[in-house]
Amino acid sequence: GENVEQHPSTLSVQEGDSAVIKCTYSDSASNYFPWYKQELGKRPQLIIDIRSNVGEKKDQRIAVTLNKTAKHFSLHITETQPEDSAVYFCAASVNDYKLSFGAGTTVTVRA
Amino acid sequence: SAVISQKPSRDICQRGTSLTIQCQVDSQVTMMFWYRQQPGQSLTLIATANQGSEATYESGFVIDKFPISRPNLTFSTLTVSNMSPEDSSIYLCSVETGNKQYFGPGTRLTVT
Repeated sequence: GENVEQHPSTLSVQEGDSAVIKCTYSDSASNYFPWYKQELGKRPQLIIDIRSNVGEKKDQRIAVTLNKTAKHFSLHITETQPEDSAVYFCAASVNDYKLSFGAGTTVTVRA
Repeated sequence: SAVISQKPSRDICQRGTSLTIQCQVDSQVTMMFWYRQQPGQSLTLIATANQGSEATYESGFVIDKFPISRPNLTFSTLTVSNMSPEDSSIYLCSVETGNKQYFGPGTRLTVT
């Protein structure tokens, strides 16, 4: 089955700096890569996703890049704010089904 | 997106008992999923529940332990049977709509 590895496990950044989280996947058939943000005690929220037919997608301060050849994808958060503090999960799936999640990255934005 | 609710939001149960968790969505969806999130951990898919067919379980999860019902396109239940302390977890349902997956608020289960 699909194996998704996520790094780093924790990330501390100064407010205003950028944060980058990287994930690799094992199944070359995977074609859908969402990112979820989970605040303490809350449900995972979909923040951005990318499909294998594009290499990059951006939504305001958040961007995701995909390298299909290397089987890795990354989340980039620019101009970080305290409300960006949360656990971020990457995931991969074939045809939108059966998401396989990474282990998560705890992001702390220092004021 | 979709509005997803779960009941109960939390429960404390004794070992050996069973708990049924309900998931309700405000629109008709073909695919619903059940996940487990152990404390401080990632999300693990338990099973996929499609209306009109038997649920499909992932490796390590069996129907006798986690029976699932999917009576219509807006509702599903997950039962955690014969519970042990190792079943203490957050159980989340999710739905696939618009080619994206959205999660319910979760049910926090503590087994004593």
